[in-house]
This record gives sequence, C-alpha cells and structure tokens, in this order.
Amino acid sequence: GDSVTQMEGPVTLSEEAFLTINCTYTATGYPSLFWYVQYPGEGLQLLLKATKADDKGSNKGFEATYRKETTSFHLEKGSVQVSDSAVYFCALSQGGSEKLVFGKGTKLTVNP
Amino acid sequence: DAMVIQNPRYQVTQFGKPVTLSCSQTLNHNVMYWYQQKSSQAPKLLFHYYDKDFNNEADTPDNFQSRRPNTSFCFLDIRSPGLGDAAMYLCATSIGGGYGYTFGSGTRLTVV
Repeated sequence: GDSVTQMEGPVTLSEEAFLTINCTYTATGYPSLFWYVQYPGEGLQLLLKATKADDKGSNKGFEATYRKETTSFHLEKGSVQVSDSAVYFCALSQGGSEKLVFGKGTKLTVNP
Repeated sequence: DAMVIQNPRYQVTQFGKPVTLSCSQTLNHNVMYWYQQKSSQAPKLLFHYYDKDFNNEADTPDNFQSRRPNTSFCFLDIRSPGLGDAAMYLCATSIGGGYGYTFGSGTRLTVV
C-alpha cells in the first residue's frame, strides 16, 4: 500500500539556520503531496501542497518540490525562526481515495 | 470564517464511562473523518463518512462508533473508554477524491 517515510527527529536548529526535512513516498499512480504543521496542543494546519510532478508548494518561507523521479517531497526553509518550532508531517493522498496517509512526523525545535 | 470546529478542546472522562466528541463544519464538505493521535505519533484514521456512507478502518476497535446526522455535524462515541484511549482526536473534512482536507483543532481526551 501507499506509504510515507520522513527523516527521524527530533531536529534542533539555531535561529536563522537552514532547514531540510526529508520525505519520500511509495505510491501507485500520481498522488498529491502535502506538508502539515502541528504546533503544541493544536490540530494540523496545511503548510503547503503539490498535486503533480515538478510542482513547487510554498508558504511562509517553506518550500517543497514534488520530485517524481526520486519520489520525494523534501521540506526546506532558508532561515528558521523560533516560532517555527512544531511537528511537521508529510502526507499523501490518491485521487479517488479518501485517505490521507501520514509520515510519522518530525519534531523541530528552533533555539534563539 | 468557514472552518472545522471541535468541541470541547479538552475532555476528561472516567474509565468505562461513555463519552461523545463533537465536530461541526461550515465548509459543506462531503467527507468527514475522525483521526486518533497519540503522543508523538502520526494521526491514525478511525473512520470516515462520504455523505451518509460510513467507512470503518479494519483495525478500528468496536469501542469506537460514529454518527453523522447531517452534512454539518459528526460525532465520535467511545462506548467504554480505557486508559489506552487517551489521545488527541482530530476531525477533518474534505471535498472528496483526496482533495481539500481541513482539520479541526482537536479534542484532547483524558481518561481517569
């Protein structure tokens, strides 16, 4: 079945550091790909998405590019802030299926 | 603003005492989902409704039930909560076909 693999956390960075969180997927067909962010004690918020190969999703300084050839959707940010501290989930969905398949999540802590 | 609203944000229940969690949406989405998220884990899909059609995940315990009386509301009933059911419960909606997911803020359930 479909699956998502994220890099193991936790990730600890200093403010203004560069962030990469790796995400790869296994799926038949052409899934849509998502990054969700979860702040402490909160629900999930959609951070960005891409629906087809070579699409780049971006929001709040975060970017991820849908790479079909490497089945990847890595999350990047050039300069993280303390307020970016959260858990980040990579996820996929298949057209025609109602399920959202999540990776295990990566906890990011940004220190001042 | 259109959104997915979960009540209450925090719920404490006694071991074995039935409890109901509520979710409402103003998005008029066809699909509503219930996810269970335990500490430091990815959300796990319990079931979903596509309109009035109920879809249960194979590994969802019988202790968990759901009702969707109309498009706007969906309820999660836990018939006899055990200590292992303590978790964050997330409601989500989508327009169907794997698109347009929106999550609520979640209800954190404590079982004492």
